Amino acid sequence: SAVISQKPSRDICQRGTSLTIQCQVDSQVTMMFWYRQQPGQSLTLIATANQGSEATYESGFVIDKFPISRPNLTFSTLTVSNMSPEDSSIYLCSVVKLRGISYEQYFGPGTRLTVT
Amino acid sequence: SQELEQSPQSLIVQEGKNLTINCTSSKTLYGLYWYKQKYGEGLIFLMMLQKGGEEKSHEKITAKLDEKKQQSSLHITASQPSHAGIYLCGAGLMDSNYQLIWGAGTKLIIKP
Repeated sequence: SAVISQKPSRDICQRGTSLTIQCQVDSQVTMMFWYRQQPGQSLTLIATANQGSEATYESGFVIDKFPISRPNLTFSTLTVSNMSPEDSSIYLCSVVKLRGISYEQYFGPGTRLTVT
Repeated sequence: SQELEQSPQSLIVQEGKNLTINCTSSKTLYGLYWYKQKYGEGLIFLMMLQKGGEEKSHEKITAKLDEKKQQSSLHITASQPSHAGIYLCGAGLMDSNYQLIWGAGTKLIIKP
């Protein structure tokens, strides 16, 4: 398994400011992802955090808005920049651990962001 | 439209009754995951199915993946208040890079 912690667990931020969310895993993992869950909706993948290189963003998400760092195999950050109320969501860090030819995906507890 | 169709969207069940949630795709799935989410919390991993025809059980929850690996069902027997929450199915696609697609979730309410 993988134990994932996220900081902060929740925050209330003002419009126009930025927030950096940290994700720490208790072991080295192959892949790390950042997801967003807006109220009443299912999970949406924001990007894949690549160790040592730029993150890979999904359609609709850009680096200027959601800069991501992954300096090593156990840690990543997601920044939500120039926030607006539409960015109010739960942001989830997720990791994949390979199990032979299979894999398992785990999720952090999430960061609940409210933008006022 | 969703690549992974999950049904029903919501479900209200009398405590003690059985229930089933379905997850269907038009594509062959590589790894079908069931998660449970309680309000304001992260996702809790329930089960992963990989082989066609596979079935797994944990306590009162049973999940199955059909032979064609395009449909999965999650069955709860003798439901309890602790089963309440949102159930999400996620699956990998054969051509994906370990990324999952997701159903929209099923909100389960247990009536006492």
